[in-house]
Amino acid sequence: EVQLVESGGGLVKPGGSLRLSCAASGFVFSSFSMNWVRQAPGKGLEWVSSISSSSFHIHYADSVKGRFTISRDNAKNSVYLQMNSLTAEDTAVYYCARDVRYGDVYYMDVWGKGATVTVSS
Amino acid sequence: QSVLTQPPSASGTPRQRVTISCSGSSSNIGSNTVNWYQQLPGTAPKLLIYSNNQRPSGVPDRISGSKSGTSASLAISGLQSEDEADYYCAAWDDSLNGWVFGGGTKLTVL
Repeated sequence: EVQLVESGGGLVKPGGSLRLSCAASGFVFSSFSMNWVRQAPGKGLEWVSSISSSSFHIHYADSVKGRFTISRDNAKNSVYLQMNSLTAEDTAVYYCARDVRYGDVYYMDVWGKGATVTVSS
Repeated sequence: QSVLTQPPSASGTPRQRVTISCSGSSSNIGSNTVNWYQQLPGTAPKLLIYSNNQRPSGVPDRISGSKSGTSASLAISGLQSEDEADYYCAAWDDSLNGWVFGGGTKLTVL
């Protein structure tokens, strides 16, 4: 079964740091780009960051650029999100999602259940 | 403010047909394919439509998608109570080099 499982969420004070992990199983992880997408309480979906299969291409939303770092370890079938200088606006459920690309077709097809990050003093 | 524009709400009665629109620009919908996600309360988004009008395995054929220019739409016919959820459109944006989403449409089955 294709599965993504996030971990590492929790409560952190403003200005603090947190590292999210996403463990993949059931597919050839090293063949796929991966994404982090977040959803603030009661709000819509917001793409955060993406990383290509070889880590060559990395992109960030402007809202997190310079504060968040995405990385992956294909040997461990995992993708990570290092989050620094956190503010209350970063409070959200963070989803890990698999990216599918062929020709001009792009979509995110498999999503994890999410990890909750709460930034509060 | 979301890059893609969706109506915040939609509604219909059982067995009715409803459509949800999604408007973008030349750098996202105008250049790339559109995907639709369904999110039930308290759960992760689920891929409903990819590549404008393709259904993943398991998605019923009463659900369909279309795209024209810089706009797209999702249609659900034979509305059922279990269709009550939030629906999001998404596309890759070539200018932002990232995924963009609509603000979401809350579908209510009356």
